[in-house]
Amino acid sequence: GNSVTQMEGPVTLSEEAFLTINCTYTATGYPSLFWYVQYPGEGLQLLLKATKADDKGSNKGFEATYRKETTSFHLEKGSVQVSDSAVYFCALSASSGYSTLTFGKGTMLLVSP
Amino acid sequence: GAGVSQSPSNKVTEKGKDVELRCDPISGHTALYWYRQRLGQGLEFLIYFQGNSAPDKSGLPSDRFSAERTGESVSTLTIQRTQQEDSAVYLCASSLAGTSGPWEQYFGPGTRLTVT
Repeated sequence: GNSVTQMEGPVTLSEEAFLTINCTYTATGYPSLFWYVQYPGEGLQLLLKATKADDKGSNKGFEATYRKETTSFHLEKGSVQVSDSAVYFCALSASSGYSTLTFGKGTMLLVSP
Repeated sequence: GAGVSQSPSNKVTEKGKDVELRCDPISGHTALYWYRQRLGQGLEFLIYFQGNSAPDKSGLPSDRFSAERTGESVSTLTIQRTQQEDSAVYLCASSLAGTSGPWEQYFGPGTRLTVT
């Protein structure tokens, strides 16, 4: 079955540091890949997505590239801000049509001033 | 426009009691999903509704869990004879649907269920 593995947190960084949160997946076919973010006290929201190999999703300074050869979708940001403190979830869905999301366990990011 | 709403936001119940959780999806979204998020875990899929098709119940953990949806609107998730392991945040999401997916799922704020 499908599965997503992401690095355990918390990840603690100082403001303006470089961020990487690793995510690898196991899936049949060609899944779509997502990063969701959950800010304190708020619901899950889509951060970025990629639907095919070598696609790069980007939003709010965050980027992730769909690497089929390494089955990875690592999240990166060049310079984090305190406001980026949140829990980040990597997820995948099946290749087409309707599909539920399979989530990783989430990685908490804490950014200090 | 309005997002996905869920009620109640918090629910504390005694072991053995039944609970009902409500989800109002975004208007026009024909697909509706329920997920569960237990402490320190990722989200687990529970059930999926799409239009008038039979729901996908493959994620329901036991027969104590059931869900209904009225047309393409409100859904209720019912947990009978609650157990302490049912304590979790229950999240509802909705999306458009069709073969040219995947479609972005929009999540509600969740209902935090605590079984004492």
